[in-house]
Amino acid sequence: GAVVSQHPSWVICKSGTSVKIECRSLDFQATTMFWYRQFPKQSLMLMATSNEGSKATYEQGVEKDKFLINHASLTLSTLTVTSAHPEDSSFYICSAKRQGDYNEQFFGPGTRLTVL
Amino acid sequence: GQNIDQPTEMTATEGAIVQINCTYQTSGFNGLFWYQQHAGEAPTFLSYNVLDGLEEKGRFSSFLSRSKGYSYLLLKELQMKDSASYLCAVTDSNYQLIWGAGTKLIIKP
Repeated sequence: GAVVSQHPSWVICKSGTSVKIECRSLDFQATTMFWYRQFPKQSLMLMATSNEGSKATYEQGVEKDKFLINHASLTLSTLTVTSAHPEDSSFYICSAKRQGDYNEQFFGPGTRLTVL
Repeated sequence: GQNIDQPTEMTATEGAIVQINCTYQTSGFNGLFWYQQHAGEAPTFLSYNVLDGLEEKGRFSSFLSRSKGYSYLLLKELQMKDSASYLCAVTDSNYQLIWGAGTKLIIKP
């Protein structure tokens, strides 16, 4: 159990367009989901924490108007990169905590975004 | 501030043993995780320690000393597929996960 999926697994888009990435917990309810970004040869960087039914909490330096997060249900969170630019090209990973579980995060497989 | 330190890179030989250390300074402690991450992939869970001592799981073991703010991941009988980054992460008093920068482990034949 505790499987997290992401869609798409990779996406190439033109500069100025918006891209939506979905994160789903397949076999459990996730009260909290996290969005990370990882640039090549660097560690994970937490972008935001998303709680079901409430606004996401963004980390310092992350533009909330550029990275729109919606956590509409206990199994789905979406990250929309608006007006993407080449510097937004990165590996985006989501993770989820199970309802009642305060510790372990279960990771999705990641989405590789390339902005041309 | 909160800080997790681990070596940037380590090299070991196939079949040997390697120990990856992690020291942490966090506001509170609710457990320490080790994750493995292959290039281009998401992290995968390896171990979780919340009490002092050694947890063994096959070829991998993880040790924790809360008084010293110290953990290590021990990998035995190294295989080429163990070449990856190993991430140490600590859950603080708010149950927020604080990540280390990761240790890139290179296995040589």
